[in-house]
Amino acid sequence: RKEVEQDPGPFNVPEGATVAFNCTYSNSASQSFFWYRQDCRKEPKLLMSVYSSGNEDGRFTAQLNRASQYISLLIRDSKLSDSATYLCVVIKTGNTPLVFGKGTRLSVIA
Amino acid sequence: DAGVTQSPTHLIKTRGQQVTLRCSPKSGHDTVSWYQQALGQGPQFIFQYYEEEERQRGNFPDRFSGHQFPNYSSELNVNALLLGDSALYLCASSLVLSTTEAFFGQGTRLTVV
Repeated sequence: RKEVEQDPGPFNVPEGATVAFNCTYSNSASQSFFWYRQDCRKEPKLLMSVYSSGNEDGRFTAQLNRASQYISLLIRDSKLSDSATYLCVVIKTGNTPLVFGKGTRLSVIA
Repeated sequence: DAGVTQSPTHLIKTRGQQVTLRCSPKSGHDTVSWYQQALGQGPQFIFQYYEEEERQRGNFPDRFSGHQFPNYSSELNVNALLLGDSALYLCASSLVLSTTEAFFGQGTRLTVV
């Protein structure tokens, strides 16, 4: 079983739609969780950290369920500029390597 | 404040050749990690350097080696290139071995023919 699993998509949604991605992780000792965004042929960039209490940043909401070992990302009111690959990232402790999922590709269509 | 810079941006090599990729970390960062991202995959950890020593290593063969210099910049060397080494190679810098605040360079796209 892979350490971090994501549905690769693609998710094709119209502008204004709400879309949700899930990610599961296998190592119950994992302590930190993130969503990264990667545009085509560019480097990954941190979108947001994910906390047990859930957190929101504008149109983006991230949730963590430790009991079920999954992480979610919700994007409301999708924009064309949200089109990208969203990478789920897990680490055990602050100095262990980032473990990436394969990414979920999102295309927002006009 | 310069971010993480990598060179070259693109590279084409022949099977069996050797390649060196370079990374300058973000100003103030002292830890460099290297990742390999094959097409359609997430980045995979290769190794991490801190205080000029390899501190952690992922599941990559010895053909992959690295170095960190006193100014914290780093090199990734790959010997005896295989077609399967074609990928985007990403450098991430952070502070004092922490990976929670990692910043990525734009990557080097290596094509092996």
